[in-house]
Amino acid sequence: IAGITQAPTSQILAAGRRMTLRCTQDMRHNAMYWYRQDLGLGLRLIHYSNTAGTTGKGEVPDGYSVSRANTDDFPLTLASAVPSQTSVYFCASSPGLENNEQFFGPGTRLTVL
Amino acid sequence: GQNIDQPTEMTATEGAIVQINCTYQTSGFNGLFWYQQHAGEAPTFLSYNVLDGLEEKGRFSSFLSRSKGYSYLLLKELQMKDSASYLCAVRDSNYQLIWGAGTKLIIKP
Repeated sequence: IAGITQAPTSQILAAGRRMTLRCTQDMRHNAMYWYRQDLGLGLRLIHYSNTAGTTGKGEVPDGYSVSRANTDDFPLTLASAVPSQTSVYFCASSPGLENNEQFFGPGTRLTVL
Repeated sequence: GQNIDQPTEMTATEGAIVQINCTYQTSGFNGLFWYQQHAGEAPTFLSYNVLDGLEEKGRFSSFLSRSKGYSYLLLKELQMKDSASYLCAVRDSNYQLIWGAGTKLIIKP
């Protein structure tokens, strides 16, 4: 692994189903983030983690949960998907919150029907 | 509320210069970022400004005026590969990035 990876690449999901988007980084970055990107809107922060074992809510956390059991992995779970959660989801990481550059994964395109 | 404004779309000619503006109103300021995003790909970091003035990096330069809540990204000697969306983001008082919707730059030969 080089950098930050996400899985799956894309997914079509029935409303009401549970879904976990995976994110793994091998850069030993402390901070990790989940964003959603919708047409005509900027990236919006869903949840973040400053370091393993801690998480925080971003701008649009409702309907999503995260965990950070170790440094490398930061999964995002939709407990019961709704059509408004159709979006492109990006995971990102940075050495720390104060560091200047965030490194982004390739994204997961999720469609909820 | 927090707000980042940038033009939705711009068109420029290969070899020319283009300036993409960004204005912001945020709760606190801990730096302004520019990212490039090609269609269907992830954003990649271009520049960071925290003090007023111009930061130059090759063909790309970024300017910041904190008193005016204003930044611009200047792209020189445009190449076809510069066709992409350019995202402006401000790091607020909580060290979270607030993102603009992006400016789609179309380069014509």
